[in-house]
Parts: sequence; C-alpha cells; structure tokens
Amino acid sequence: AQRVTQPEKLLSVFKGAPVELKCNYSYSGSPELFWYVQYSRQRLQLLLRHISRESIKGFTADLNKGETSFHLKKPFAQEEDSAMYYCALNTGRRALTFGSGTRLQVQP
Amino acid sequence: KAGVTQTPRYLIKTRGQQVTLSCSPISGHRSVSWYQQTPGQGLQFLFEYFSETQRNKGNFPGRFSGRQFSNSRSEMNVSTLELGDSALYLCASSPGQGTYNEQFFGPGTRLTVL
Repeated sequence: AQRVTQPEKLLSVFKGAPVELKCNYSYSGSPELFWYVQYSRQRLQLLLRHISRESIKGFTADLNKGETSFHLKKPFAQEEDSAMYYCALNTGRRALTFGSGTRLQVQP
Repeated sequence: KAGVTQTPRYLIKTRGQQVTLSCSPISGHRSVSWYQQTPGQGLQFLFEYFSETQRNKGNFPGRFSGRQFSNSRSEMNVSTLELGDSALYLCASSPGQGTYNEQFFGPGTRLTVL
C-alpha cells in the first residue's frame, strides 16, 4: 500500500540554520513526489516536484529510491519559511497521498 | 486567472443531515479532486473527476459522492452526516492532461457536524 511518512510534527530552527524536513514513502510503482506548503492563512500550494529537480525559494529535494526518501532541504532558513510542509505522493493521475505534515518554525 | 473557489466557506449541520459543497476550478482546468482534512487523519483523497467522469476514488464510504458538470464545476455530497465528517474539505483543480499534473487548491469548506 502507498504511504507517506513525515516523522516530525514540528521542526524548530534559528534563522540562518540549515533545514531538513524528512519524508519517506512506500509505493510499488514509479513514484512521483511533491512538496506542498501552506503558509499561515494561505492555501496549500506546490513548492517542489521531484521530476523538475529545481530549487524554489532556496529549497531542494532529491528523490532517493534506494532509501525511499524525498527529504526537503534548505541551507539557510529564513523567518518567512515558517509554514506547514506536506510531502505528497501521486498514486494515480491526480490522487495525492499526503504525509501528516511538518510544521517548520524559524526563530529570529 | 482566478483561483479555485469553493462555496460555502463555512457550514454547520446536524447529524443525519446531508450537505452539498461546490468547487469551481481554474478556467480551462478539466480535473477536480476532493480531499478531506482532519487533525487526526490529515489530508485524505476522496475522489477525482475529469470530463464529468469519476476517474479515481479514495477509501471513503458511499455516503460521500460527487459529480462534475460540463463546465468542469464540481460538487460533492455527503449524506447522513456523522460527527466524524467534521473536517475541512479541499478541492483542487488541474489541467488534467497526461499523468503529471500540478494541483491548485481552493481555500476549503469548513464543515462542522453537531
């Protein structure tokens, strides 16, 4: 069965510190993975998709099929990065399986 | 382009009643997916409609149903409401072409069942 695991409910770091939000998945097919973000009082929005291998707002994520992971990283956290982050797996065209989410708090 | 809109934004119902929620996708998008978000279960996929046909369904009871109209607007219906149906219901639209689609989410409808 497909599953997405985000082990940390809350990650608190200081401004300028590196950030790594963990995501592990379980899926028998070829995975399509995403990171979605929800800032306070805003809609859920796409941050990154693994196939584009891009850096958005300084964040990167690499798919590691051997470890079935798709961790989100940023070398220097900013206060505006504080938000809820969801890892998601596309399990059938437009059906996303989400992890439980990690709240990132960046302290000044 | 205007974003995904959902109506109503807030709804209070009592157990046993039924409710209909509406979602208007981004212009030109033909796919609408619905998700339920609760503190306990997180975000869970309900179903997806494309070109007026249900293409995908999550693991929810038959009390949850939906439909899509020719203008791509979608409705979801929950019959015989239970307390556990209290949740934020999100819809997301995407162009619907191919297998890789970014989904654009609406603000959600907050349903409270008393």
